[in-house]
Amino acid sequence: NAGVTQTPKFQVLKTGQSMTLQCAQDMNHEYMSWYRQDPGMGLRLIHYSVGAGITDQGEVPNGYNVSRSTTEDFPLRLLSAAPSQTSVYFCASSYSSGAADTQYFGPGTRLTVL
Amino acid sequence: QKEVEQDPGPLSVPEGAIVSLNCTYSNSAFQYFMWYRQYSRKGPELLMYTYSSGNKEDGRFTAQVDKSSKYISLFIRDSQPSDSATYLCAMIERNTDKLIFGTGTRLQVFP
Repeated sequence: NAGVTQTPKFQVLKTGQSMTLQCAQDMNHEYMSWYRQDPGMGLRLIHYSVGAGITDQGEVPNGYNVSRSTTEDFPLRLLSAAPSQTSVYFCASSYSSGAADTQYFGPGTRLTVL
Repeated sequence: QKEVEQDPGPLSVPEGAIVSLNCTYSNSAFQYFMWYRQYSRKGPELLMYTYSSGNKEDGRFTAQVDKSSKYISLFIRDSQPSDSATYLCAMIERNTDKLIFGTGTRLQVFP
């Protein structure tokens, strides 16, 4: 089991560029989510999905798009990168969104927007 | 005011010390309480979770919840250099399943 994988590990963008952060899991988990982690702010939920074809917004969705065409993959798209999107991005998955279900996090993508 | 408050540290202790990490919260609808450990440049991993007030023990780790005071703690006994990491508390709101993280406390255990 590879668990949750994320690519790329690091990325530098210029303002206005777009890109996709990849996330994949091989645990057959229904629930997947994207977080950003900023100093002094903790982890904040961007978007989440409770299954293939179903996505919803989290706490800080503006400037990001997601889709979930398969159970395994949950890419995060930055439409037009801004310096405020400089952050570390984590993808997570769990069997369900139930409170007792353990969320497994990927290793993160460090994004810098110049 | 943030829903979950956590002292960012850093907290520096000698090997073998007892460590106390704490979070306070303001939302009385929080019902599940978790502690995650995050090593440098890695994703968080779940350490412990608890539902009710009281203590829950797992090896050298004890999670304590006091719902009346809206206060949770994680105690680490006989701390080791390998415990050096950032510890994040997290809470889940009843009915909505909304998960809120604290900002994390950085712990360093020196030999």
